[in-house]
Amino acid sequence: GEDVEQSLFLSVREGDSSVINCTYTDSSSTYLYWYKQEPGAGLQLLTYIFSNMDMKQDQRLTVLLNKKDKHLSLRIADTQTGDSAIYFCAERSPGGSYIPTFGRGTSLIVHP
Amino acid sequence: DVKVTQSSRYLVKRTGEKVFLECVQDMDHENMFWYRQDPGLGLRLIYFSYDVKMKEKGDIPEGYSVSREKKERFSLILESASTNQTSMYLCASNTGADTEAFFGQGTRLTVV
Repeated sequence: GEDVEQSLFLSVREGDSSVINCTYTDSSSTYLYWYKQEPGAGLQLLTYIFSNMDMKQDQRLTVLLNKKDKHLSLRIADTQTGDSAIYFCAERSPGGSYIPTFGRGTSLIVHP
Repeated sequence: DVKVTQSSRYLVKRTGEKVFLECVQDMDHENMFWYRQDPGLGLRLIYFSYDVKMKEKGDIPEGYSVSREKKERFSLILESASTNQTSMYLCASNTGADTEAFFGQGTRLTVV
C-alpha cells in the first residue's frame, strides 16, 4: 500500500541549510509535493516535482528526487526564523487516484 | 486565487452533541476532502467526495458522516461528539487534473 515517511523534528540554526527527508513506497507516484503548514493555519503548497525529474530549484528551495530509492528531499538554503513550520511530504499516484497521501510532517525549528 | 473556507476556526462542543463542520470552495472543484490532524500522526483522511451526493470513506470514517448537496459545499458531521474527536480538522479540494490540493485554514475542535 501507499506510505509516506518522514522524521518528526528538525532543529537548525538561522542561516544554515535545512534538509528534510521523505521516503515513499508507491513507485508509480506521478507527483511528489512539499506542503508547508504555519502555526494555526492550513497547508499551502510549497513546491512539487514530477516523477520524471530528479531536481527542481526555486529560489532558496531545492527538491531532489531519487526515484530508484523512492527518496525525496527538500533543502532550504539560508534558513530563516520565518521558515519555522511543519513540512509535509505528499505523493499522488496515477490512474485516477487524485487523493494525495501525506507523511506525518516534519516540524522545523529555526533558532537564532 | 482558489479559496477554501471553513466556517469556524475554533469550536468547543460538549460530549454527545451533534457537530457540523462546513467547508466551501469557490473554484468549481469536483473533489473535496476532510482530514483530521493530530500531533505525530499527520493528516488522516476521514471522507472524500468526487461529485455532488457522492462520498467515499477514507482511512478513519468511524464516528463521522458527510454531506455534499452542492458542488461547492462539503460538510463533516459528528453524530455524537466524543472527547477522542478533539482535533484539528482540515478541508481540501482539487480537480482530477490539478497538481495540488487546496486547503482551508482548519477548524480546531475541542470536545469537553
